[in-house]
Amino acid sequence: EVQLVESGGGLVQPGRSLKLSCAASGFTFSNYYMAWVRQAPKKGLEWVATISTSGSRTYYPDSVKGRFTISRDNAKSSLYLQMNSLKSEDTATYYCARRPLDYWGQGVMVTVSS
Amino acid sequence: DVVMTQTPPSLSVAIGQSVSISCKSSQSLVYSDGKTYLHWLLQSPGQSPKLLIYQVSNLGSGVPDRFSGTGSQKDFTLKISRVEAEDLGVYYCVQATHFPWTFGGGTKLELK
Repeated sequence: EVQLVESGGGLVQPGRSLKLSCAASGFTFSNYYMAWVRQAPKKGLEWVATISTSGSRTYYPDSVKGRFTISRDNAKSSLYLQMNSLKSEDTATYYCARRPLDYWGQGVMVTVSS
Repeated sequence: DVVMTQTPPSLSVAIGQSVSISCKSSQSLVYSDGKTYLHWLLQSPGQSPKLLIYQVSNLGSGVPDRFSGTGSQKDFTLKISRVEAEDLGVYYCVQATHFPWTFGGGTKLELK
């Protein structure tokens, strides 16, 4: 059974950093592109980042480019999202997902507030 | 960026009724490999999104065949035949042909 389990969320002050993790199981992690998608409270879905199978290629929207870094450890079947210079508008539930978005984690809440 | 326009924003339906949701993109979603990376998701209340349809018309794993997807280029439709209570929630289209990936605004399906 495919499982994606996020962790690392919480309350953080504006300008600070946070690192999310996603533990994958039930499939050959190294064979899949992976992504992070977020959802602000009561809002729609927003794509945050995608990483290639080897980790050599990463993609971001302008809203997080230069602040967020997606990475992976295929030996540990784990996906990460390093979030720096956090802003209040980054407050959201963050989901990790397998491309083509066929499996999603349960999500982890990140609140950016002083 | 590709703008995904999803309509209607909400639908009120009776169990057993059939409904359609439209998703239009601001540019063609045909990728250089000839495939169209337009997918449909359902987010049930309090749940993570779930993949219903991938690449326009392919049913996701375990998804009942009451769901179907059609369309091409810039114009796509999700049809639900014989709505059941478990179908309620917010439906999203998403394009993964062009970076940045972009989502439609969502269609909330409610019971009449």
